[in-house]
Amino acid sequence: GDSVTQMEGPVTLSEEAFLTINCTYTATGYPSLFWYVQYPGEGLQLLLKATKADDKGSNKGFEATYRKETTSFHLEKGSVQVSDSAVYFCALRSLGTSGTYKYIFGTGTRLKVLA
Amino acid sequence: KAGVTQTPRYLIKTRGQQVTLSCSPISGHRSVSWYQQTPGQGLQFLFEYFSETQRNKGNFPGRFSGRQFSNSRSEMNVSTLELGDSALYLCASSPTGDSGGGHEQYFGPGTRLTVT
Repeated sequence: GDSVTQMEGPVTLSEEAFLTINCTYTATGYPSLFWYVQYPGEGLQLLLKATKADDKGSNKGFEATYRKETTSFHLEKGSVQVSDSAVYFCALRSLGTSGTYKYIFGTGTRLKVLA
Repeated sequence: KAGVTQTPRYLIKTRGQQVTLSCSPISGHRSVSWYQQTPGQGLQFLFEYFSETQRNKGNFPGRFSGRQFSNSRSEMNVSTLELGDSALYLCASSPTGDSGGGHEQYFGPGTRLTVT
């Protein structure tokens, strides 16, 4: 079945460091891909998305490119801030065997940014 | 537009009791999904409702049930609570059904359920 695998955390970085959080997926067809972020005590918020191969999603300095050849959607940011400390979830939306769309989330990667 | 709201935000129950959680989606959204989030298991899909019908279901026991009303508001119910049901329960809404495209989900703040 469809699945999402993302790197385990926590990832600890110093402020202004470069961030990469790896995400790979397994899916039949052409899923849409998402990154969500969860700040402490809150629900998930959409960070960025990409709906087809080679699309680049971007928001708030974060970027991710839909790579169909490597089935990956790695999240990157050039210079992290303390305020980026949160849990990041990679997710896909694909057509399930029941004929309806479903969402599958990775297990989340906790990012800690130190001043 | 108001976001997804969930009530109550915090709940403490005793083993064996039952609980009902409520979710109001963003106005105009017809799909509502429920997830259980725990530190060990991450985000696990419970079920999705669309136009008052359960459209998808995850791998949870029958103690977990839900419903959706004609105004798209949804409730989930957990009967005979167990300690392992302690979790953050998240509700998410999205605009529509199977028209394809990158329809993201919009999440509520969650209901923190503690079972003692």
